[in-house]
Amino acid sequence: EVQLLESGGGLVQPGGSLRLSCAASGFIFSDYAMSWVRQAPGKGLEWVSTVSHSGGSTFYTDSVKGRFTICRDNSKNTLYLQMDSLRAEDTAIFYCAKGRGLRDSNSDMDSWGQGILVSVSS
Amino acid sequence: EIVLTQSPATLSLSPGERATLSCRASQSVSSYLAWYQQKPGQAPRLLIYDASNRATGIPVRFSGSGSGTDFTLTISSLEPEDFALYYCQQRSNWPLTFGGGTKVEIK
Repeated sequence: EVQLLESGGGLVQPGGSLRLSCAASGFIFSDYAMSWVRQAPGKGLEWVSTVSHSGGSTFYTDSVKGRFTICRDNSKNTLYLQMDSLRAEDTAIFYCAKGRGLRDSNSDMDSWGQGILVSVSS
Repeated sequence: EIVLTQSPATLSLSPGERATLSCRASQSVSSYLAWYQQKPGQAPRLLIYDASNRATGIPVRFSGSGSGTDFTLTISSLEPEDFALYYCQQRSNWPLTFGGGTKVEIK
């Protein structure tokens, strides 16, 4: 059974930093792209970032480019999202999600974590 | 950026009725379109991928169709657990984008 467990969220002041982690199990982690998707309170889903199965390619939505960094450690089956220069509009539940296609970065997402709340406020 | 427009925003139906949800893309996404279901307080769940393929464990009452710019998710006979939010998502081009969602509520 695929399991994705996010950690590292919380309350941070504008301009601050957080690092989210997602511990994966139940599948061959190094074979699948991984993504972060967020959902602001009462709003819809927004794709944030994807990292390829090998970690060699990364993709970001424009609003986080230069502020967020996605990476993965395939030896630890863990996905990360380093978030710097946080803004109030980054407040959201952040979901870790597994790509469906084998070694396919452009993928829909067939397994999701339970989500973790990031609040940016002074 | 490919914009996905979902309609209607809200669909009010009774259990046993047929639900038809629409997703329109601002440019062709070929068949690279997925549908997700989200219930309050829960993570999204993949229902349909590549326009018409049911994901693992998804009941046959859920079906998807379409290609290019116009897509449909059909729930043939609504069960009580189907009342939820539904999102479409394209994977044709970066950035990946989601539609704004359709809420299926009990009439």
